[in-house]
Amino acid sequence: DAGVTQSPTHLIKTRGQQVTLRCSPKSGHDTVSWYQQALGQGPQFIFQYYEEEERQRGNFPDRFSGHQFPNYSSELNVNALLLGDSALYLCASSLDDAETQYFGPGTRLLVL
Amino acid sequence: DAKTTQPNSMESNEEEPVHLPCNHSTISGTDYIHWYRQLPSQGPEYVIHGLTSNVNNRMASLAIAEDRKSSTLILHRATLRDAAVYYCILRDEVWDQFYFGTGTSLTVIP
Repeated sequence: DAGVTQSPTHLIKTRGQQVTLRCSPKSGHDTVSWYQQALGQGPQFIFQYYEEEERQRGNFPDRFSGHQFPNYSSELNVNALLLGDSALYLCASSLDDAETQYFGPGTRLLVL
Repeated sequence: DAKTTQPNSMESNEEEPVHLPCNHSTISGTDYIHWYRQLPSQGPEYVIHGLTSNVNNRMASLAIAEDRKSSTLILHRATLRDAAVYYCILRDEVWDQFYFGTGTSLTVIP
């Protein structure tokens, strides 16, 4: 079992560009959550996907959008990148009725 | 979102027990107490969770106060691999999001 995988591991973009980050959940998991972690801070919840629908959303602007595919993998898209979007983006997967989330290693995004 | 309060940092000697405290005075009756830790350059990993009773697993023990307004994560013998940021989180429903604070950065001294 590969666990939660994310790609790419690192990414450098410039302001105004768009970025897509990818996540493959742990085998058998149907729920994917995305978090943003700024340097020195705890992860902040962006949104959660279940059955290909956004089920919950944190306090993030519409520039942040996502998608979940029939195989439960997920994408996070960020449009019109700002310098403040530089962070570690974490994906976590879980079973819908489970208590535990499993996190991937994250994608480190740097916006110049 | 339910709030927790943790010390910013703690130190422990290797092979000594570590008690990581967490205050959650506004906890509701249905909130579970979760602990996750984040090793350097990794995503958070699950440590333990509980509702009312003390809990033990292979990684740690969770001691929950009788009034549930505080809890303590206990690492019985700290190793260098336990150096991490430890997050105490309250969560109500299983589908609810996790609200991470800034956690406690644990340093283990050889």
